[in-house]
Amino acid sequence: GEDVEQSLFLSVREGDSSVINCTYTDSSSTYLYWYKQEPGAGLQLLTYIFSNMDMKQDQRLTVLLNKKDKHLSLRIADTQTGDSAIYFCAEGGYQKVTFGTGTKLQVIP
Amino acid sequence: DGGITQSPKYLFRKEGQNVTLSCEQNLNHDAMYWYRQDPGQGLRLIYYSQIVNDFQKGDIAEGYSVSREKKESFPLTVTSAQKNPTAFYLCASSHMGAGGNYGYTFGSGTRLTVV
Repeated sequence: GEDVEQSLFLSVREGDSSVINCTYTDSSSTYLYWYKQEPGAGLQLLTYIFSNMDMKQDQRLTVLLNKKDKHLSLRIADTQTGDSAIYFCAEGGYQKVTFGTGTKLQVIP
Repeated sequence: DGGITQSPKYLFRKEGQNVTLSCEQNLNHDAMYWYRQDPGQGLRLIYYSQIVNDFQKGDIAEGYSVSREKKESFPLTVTSAQKNPTAFYLCASSHMGAGGNYGYTFGSGTRLTVV
């Protein structure tokens, strides 16, 4: 079955870049996603990448996809205290999306 | 503004009681989903629906029931058969394109506690 794995915790200093990594198992996934969850709130879609792309950039966010290794990463440039949250990687096709366990990003002022 | 609304935000249930969580969307999305989130865990799929009057079980459907009588609404009932219902429940919706799912819009969640 599908499985998505992420490290549980990442700590960075304000102004540095953050890189959150994810591995997935379903090679048939059409889309791969990154979501952000702030305390007590729902998830917010940050960005997604189609499976035939290698990279996608959106302002401070850069997504890299290594399809051969089934590895996805999210880079946040110039990390701010407002970026402190849990970040979920997810993979999906037409019907269902499978979520990872989330990486808690702590930004130190 | 378009969005997805969950209510109530907090819900307390006595043991042996059924409770219903509301989820309404005005995004004209075809698909709707219910997830359960426990501390330190990812999201686990309870039920999903891609069309009115049809829905499918997810990975942890036991002890839950749903209905989809209207496109905008997808209520979740937590029955007394669910032995460990304390969790954060998230509803989501999505547009289904020809190529797949373009990402979910989530509600703000309902925190259910058994007392």
